[in-house]
Amino acid sequence: GESVGLHLPTLSVQEGDNSIINCAYSNSASDYFIWYKQESGKGPQFIIDIRSNMDKRQGQRVTVLLNKTVKHLSLQIAATQPGDSAVYFCAERNNDYKLSFGAGTTVTVRA
Amino acid sequence: EAGVAQSPRYKIIEKRQSVAFWCNPISGHATLYWYQQILGQGPKLLIQFQNNGVVDDSQLPKDRFSAERLKGVDSTLKIQPAKLEDSAVYLCASSPNLSGRGYGYTFGSGTRLTVV
Repeated sequence: GESVGLHLPTLSVQEGDNSIINCAYSNSASDYFIWYKQESGKGPQFIIDIRSNMDKRQGQRVTVLLNKTVKHLSLQIAATQPGDSAVYFCAERNNDYKLSFGAGTTVTVRA
Repeated sequence: EAGVAQSPRYKIIEKRQSVAFWCNPISGHATLYWYQQILGQGPKLLIQFQNNGVVDDSQLPKDRFSAERLKGVDSTLKIQPAKLEDSAVYLCASSPNLSGRGYGYTFGSGTRLTVV
């Protein structure tokens, strides 16, 4: 079965607000995590990644937080825009280099 | 650089028919992956190649699915015979190597298969 899951299947956020998308993983041996954005009819698009020896990483408008104690990963999107509407997946890479995905969170941005 | 190319974009077949999907990875990427994404779910790994060798095919239903990457570049995924539950998007991804760190994993747009 899948070892990565998201807490909420959907998230509705007001344009301009910050979004927080959560993910729980179960494999303590995973050493690398990626957040992907998938728009309708497209493949997953890389957003940001983090290694297991880090607890925070920032990109442009996005921040990923990793809490290995509780096996939790989150993606924060600052000043959410309509173009951020998509399905977001967290993925974990096991020590055998396989990338496993959770079920995803659908983010809808309200104007 | 060009992305991962997949064709066809859409395919509709009747159950028990066969179908093939094609993937051209990013130039120079040694590792190639096929994923199956059922509507409303995350992608599930079917098979992973390193150059022209199979690294992992433990999730591939080998009674009906087959994949090859004969020259270590392009790859084809075949389903024969198809079942209704095979309806999904088939995604191809590539990475420079097995570790795939950073921007290493790049996905194509996928082939949407509908089995009727």
